[in-house]
Amino acid sequence: GAVVSQHPSWVICKSGTSVKIECRSLDFQATTMFWYRQFPKQSLMLMATSNEGSKATYEQGVEKDKFLINHASLTLSTLTVTSAHPEDSSFYICSARPHGAYEKLFFGSGTQLSVL
Amino acid sequence: GQSLEQPSEVTAVEGAIVQINCTYQTSGFYGLSWYQQHDGGAPTFLSYNALDGLEETGRFSSFLSRSDSYGYLLLQELQMKDSASYFCAAASGNTPLVFGKGTRLSVIA
Repeated sequence: GAVVSQHPSWVICKSGTSVKIECRSLDFQATTMFWYRQFPKQSLMLMATSNEGSKATYEQGVEKDKFLINHASLTLSTLTVTSAHPEDSSFYICSARPHGAYEKLFFGSGTQLSVL
Repeated sequence: GQSLEQPSEVTAVEGAIVQINCTYQTSGFYGLSWYQQHDGGAPTFLSYNALDGLEETGRFSSFLSRSDSYGYLLLQELQMKDSASYFCAAASGNTPLVFGKGTRLSVIA
């Protein structure tokens, strides 16, 4: 199956710093990638849809100035958590789907962010 | 809006069969997907139903009834490694998948 690589797997940072998370589709081109946030034992909450070459579409309640998304190529999307605070600590997961396969998402391994 | 309902927790005995139900309310519904997620890991795709009926993939089967807006995931010959969270998700064209809140399956000896 298709492979989506996400880095880093975990990161610990000080409050006020910025953290960048990368998501790469390794064996297919992804014009669209999705960023999710997940709290322990809860469901996946869609944060934004990342579109190659255009601005991301953010879900209601997600601060676009805090969660910067860049989708510069067909295989790479990045999420930058700017001026991170402890309440931003969470599990962030990216996903991508091959063109036309609207029913199947391939997920990255996730990034556990801990803000001290 | 779009919503999916599934039980929050299910417990079953090793070797048994368990069914996880999912009801949905979505517009422009294409089909129902199922994902498995172990603690600390990423979700992995299990199955997809676009048409009514049962789809079988090894020990896992998935069913869909579009008229009832209902589907289920059936796990047979349960193994301890099947302990995980299972999410149903509705596909609606090119829009993002909408996930249910997940069912935490605990397999006990």
